[in-house]
Amino acid sequence: GQQVMQIPQYQHVQEGEDFTTYCNSSTTLSNIQWYKQRPGGHPVFLIQLVKSGEVKKQKRLTFQFGEAKKNSSLHITATQTTDVGTYFCAGPSIGNTGKLIFGQGTTLQVKP
Amino acid sequence: DADVTQTPRNRITKTGKRIMLECSQTKGHDRMYWYRQDPGLGLRLIYYSFDVKDINKGEISDGYSVSRQAQAKFSLSLESAIPNQTALYFCATSDFPGGYTFGSGTRLTVV
Repeated sequence: GQQVMQIPQYQHVQEGEDFTTYCNSSTTLSNIQWYKQRPGGHPVFLIQLVKSGEVKKQKRLTFQFGEAKKNSSLHITATQTTDVGTYFCAGPSIGNTGKLIFGQGTTLQVKP
Repeated sequence: DADVTQTPRNRITKTGKRIMLECSQTKGHDRMYWYRQDPGLGLRLIYYSFDVKDINKGEISDGYSVSRQAQAKFSLSLESAIPNQTALYFCATSDFPGGYTFGSGTRLTVV
């Protein structure tokens, strides 16, 4: 069945280092969404990418959607302790674009 | 007030008991979802509803049922709770094709 996979599962970085999480889909996606879940919190929508090769930035966060629309990445420049949490990517289910398939998430720990 | 409200926030119940988790939203969206989160497994879809008369099973619906009482209300029931249903449960709502708005979650423990 359709799968959305993320790597790495965990990442520990020193504050100020960069961080990247990668998302790969088994199928071509019409769009990809990214969410952040702080420890003890709930997932919060960050962004949606729709176009092939699209790049969007939110302050220190850079989101990319692959040319084939099967992969995506989230890059954080100069991490801060406020970046701690789990980052999920999600793509629409084939044939049912209102239903999202989530990746397993990448949990980021930042050492001050 | 939160856009998506889930009750209760925490619940401990015994094996075999029936339990209902409730969700209400003020976003005015037609689409609502119930997800389950387990460590290392991400978010898995239990049930979803695209309008009041529409109920659909997700990937892990066995042992669960839902009721869409109104556009704003979507409840999840465990008819006979078992320990492997111990998890964090999230309700979410969306308009199409936008992002989801999640509730704060219900942490359920079945003993």
